[in-house]
Amino acid sequence: DGGITQSPKYLFRKEGQNVTLSCEQNLNHDAMYWYRQDPGQGLRLIYYSQIVNDFQKGDIAEGYSVSREKKESFPLTVTSAQKNPTAFYLCASSRDRGETQYFGPGTRLLVL
Amino acid sequence: GQQLNQSPQSMFIQEGEDVSMNCTSSSIFNTWLWYKQDPGEGPVLLIALYKAGELTSNGRLTAQFGITRKDSFLNISASIPSDVGIYFCAGLPGGTSYGKLTFGQGTILTVHP
Repeated sequence: DGGITQSPKYLFRKEGQNVTLSCEQNLNHDAMYWYRQDPGQGLRLIYYSQIVNDFQKGDIAEGYSVSREKKESFPLTVTSAQKNPTAFYLCASSRDRGETQYFGPGTRLLVL
Repeated sequence: GQQLNQSPQSMFIQEGEDVSMNCTSSSIFNTWLWYKQDPGEGPVLLIALYKAGELTSNGRLTAQFGITRKDSFLNISASIPSDVGIYFCAGLPGGTSYGKLTFGQGTILTVHP
C-alpha cells in the first residue's frame, strides 16, 4: 500500500536532548513537509522540501533541523534549542509543491 | 502568517442531522482542501477543490469552492456517530506563497446517537 509512515508514535525527550522523528513515503512524491500541531490550534509549518538535498524554513523553524538525502525520507530533529517541544508532529507529502498534501499518522513528542 | 477563519468552532448535533461549516479568507486561493482528523491521528483528505464555483461530493459530504476564491464550505448530510472528529479547511495560494498550505482552526464535531 502507498502511504506515509511516521515513527515512533510516541517519543519522550529529556532536557537538553536532541530527538529525531522519522517520516517515510512511498508515493513517489517530490515535496515533503513537517507541521506542528498544538491543542486547539491549526497546523503550523516547520520545514518543507521540494526536492532531494533542498529544504526551506517554514513559519516556526527555530529549534528544528531537517535533511532530505533521499526522496522517500524527510527526518525532523527537535534540538535542545526548542524550548517548548511538546506537541503533535505531522509529516505530509505532495506530488509537487503546489499540489494536494497527504498526511502521515503523526508522532506525539513529550518532554520528561 | 495568514489564517483562515473557520466556523463554527464546535458543533453538537443529533445523529441524522445535516452539518454545515465554512472557511473564509482575505486572500485568494487556487485550491481548497477539507480534511478530517480523529484524535491522535493525522488528517485524512476528504475533498479537494481546484476551480472557483466547483461543487464536489464524496458520499454524504459535499464541498464547494467559492466563486470569489476566498471561501469554501463543507456539508455533511445525515450525520452518523463515526463522523465525530475535527474538520479542517486548508487553502493553497499562488504567487510568492505558492504551495504553502494555510489551515483553518478546525471545527470539532460531536454527534449524539
